[in-house]
Amino acid sequence: SAVISQKPSRDICQRGTSLTIQCQVDSQVTMMFWYRQQPGQSLTLIATANQGSEATYESGFVIDKFPISRPNLTFSTLTVSNMSPEDSSIYLCSVEGGLAGYNEQFFGPGTRLTVL
Amino acid sequence: GENVEQHPSTLSVQEGDSAVIKCTYSDSASNYFPWYKQELGKRPQLIIDIRSNVGEKKDQRIAVTLNKTAKHFSLHITETQPEDSAVYFCAASRNNNDMRFGAGTRLTVKP
Repeated sequence: SAVISQKPSRDICQRGTSLTIQCQVDSQVTMMFWYRQQPGQSLTLIATANQGSEATYESGFVIDKFPISRPNLTFSTLTVSNMSPEDSSIYLCSVEGGLAGYNEQFFGPGTRLTVL
Repeated sequence: GENVEQHPSTLSVQEGDSAVIKCTYSDSASNYFPWYKQELGKRPQLIIDIRSNVGEKKDQRIAVTLNKTAKHFSLHITETQPEDSAVYFCAASRNNNDMRFGAGTRLTVKP
């Protein structure tokens, strides 16, 4: 499976600021996704990062709050804008990998965000 | 959209016993059903998956069964070991779009 890294691994931020999280993959992948996992909770899909076009957002998530870039097939960023304490969470990127015709998703290590 | 329910939320078993976790889904068009294991402070790890054209899949001590008619699928772990202790998530998606996760099951295996 692909090797996925995220930066930063964790951060503590002030209310009203923005943080950009980077996701890097060691091989080209078609599909990249961003998830949020609040403490003790399940994973919620924020958006699909599309290469060469705008991201596709899930219900409840908007581009102004979570702008996403996907400049190439190995890299994506997620920005958490105008943060509030409710945005404190773990943010994970994932990529679709595996054999052709299979759709396994593999996750990055996550970014633990705390907003004060 | 897809809705995935997972039961139980917590499960405690004795080492060597079996553990079963069950999930139901709502979208009959879903065709891919992975299971993830997440240890404390770590990323979710894919442990097994099943596609809608298969009823059962086994990999050593873990197996997954799928009932398309009833729209439910289950994870079975046999001969449990303390290192199986983790949170397990089921998920469902249609061609890997809109993957929805269950709420998770915290499995504890007592030595």
